[in-house]
Order: sequence, then C-alpha cells, then structure tokens
Amino acid sequence: NAGVTQTPKFRILKIGQSMTLQCTQDMNHNYMYWYRQDPGMGLKLIYYSVGAGITDKGEVPNGYNVSRSTTEDFPLRLELAAPSQTSVYFCASSFTGHPNTEAFFGQGTRLTVV
Amino acid sequence: DQQVKQNSPSLSVQEGRISILNCDYTNSMFDYFLWYKKYPAEGPTFLISISSIKDKNEDGRFTVFLNKSAKHLSLHIVPSQPGDSAVYFCAASPPTGNNRKLIWGLGTSLAVNP
Repeated sequence: NAGVTQTPKFRILKIGQSMTLQCTQDMNHNYMYWYRQDPGMGLKLIYYSVGAGITDKGEVPNGYNVSRSTTEDFPLRLELAAPSQTSVYFCASSFTGHPNTEAFFGQGTRLTVV
Repeated sequence: DQQVKQNSPSLSVQEGRISILNCDYTNSMFDYFLWYKKYPAEGPTFLISISSIKDKNEDGRFTVFLNKSAKHLSLHIVPSQPGDSAVYFCAASPPTGNNRKLIWGLGTSLAVNP
C-alpha cells in the first residue's frame, strides 16, 4: 500500500523562485491537509481540503496556494519563495474530518530557501 | 502563545520500564486529544486519542489519561521497548467541526535504552 506519497523529498530553492510540492493518496480519502513543521516546533496547518474542488485556509496560509482537482492529488504551490518558508512540509489525508479519525501522513518534503 | 504544551523536550527510560509523557493545555473547549509518534525522516503516525468526555483510553501498551480539571493529559507506555524511541506529539482539537484544525505541541523525544 502506497498510502500518502510526497515528492520531492528534498529541495533547495533560491529566494523568489516558485515550486510545487506534490501529494497523492491512494486510500480514496476525502480530507487532505498540508502542514509545515519548523525546527523544534509543532505542526501548523497551511491548507486543507474536504473533497475535490473544495479547499480552505488553515493557520498559516500566507505565501501558499493549493488546488484539489481530483480526490487523489493535493499539490501545494509556493509562488515567491522566502527564507521564512524553510521548513519540513507534510501532506496528510483522512477518511473523515472528525478529529478522532486517523490521519495518514506522507514522509515529508524538506525545503530550504536560500 | 502555546495552547498545547509539552514541557519536557526529551525523556530517557530503560527498556521494560514505564514511559510517561505529559501534555498540558490551556483551552478548556478542546474536545479531542491525540497522540502521534514520529520517527526521523518519516511522517507522524497516529497512536491513540481520547475524547474530552472520558478520562482514560487504553490500547495495548499505550494508555492516555485525561485530567480536565488540571487541563493535563499523559501518555503511558508499559512496558517500554527500544522501538518506541521516537518523538511524541500531543495534539488537541478545538470544537470547530469536521475540519481537523488540530493544535500541536512541540513534541517530546523519547529514548528507550536496551
């Protein structure tokens, strides 16, 4: 079972560059999420989606955009990379949005902006 | 201001002994609490959760206790095994419906020594 797959695993960006972090899940989950984890910190929700075509902002959405054209894919777009976006990014999915429902995470993308 | 606090950055225990990881919170309206485990270079994995209407939930070697009056929960691992060595995150869910806007603690790194 692939679960949640994120690509790339590592990336170095220059200030002002753009990139898309890819996330795909094969569990037919409706809910998908993007989190970032800064060094020594907990996870913070960037964006989430409750189904194809529906997205909403989380706690720290500035500087990011998302789309959800299919149930499987939930890419995260950085338009103008800034050093403050240096972080580890995790994509997750769950069958429902109920907090008691297990969320499955990808392995993460370590992004450095220089 | 941290709404979910894990005041011990690290904990070391002997194999076979009990591990107790603590978590304090400030918002009495949180309705679910979750524990996730994270190995290096992997995404978090769900461990156990508890509803705010309960004071204990048990799953094999893992038990979570909730003390609402003290706004405190703890995760007990008995007996501890070397494979339990990981970072443990406490997370809380505010009553905002099915959108999983979890508030995460900073994590406690557990080392179980053989």
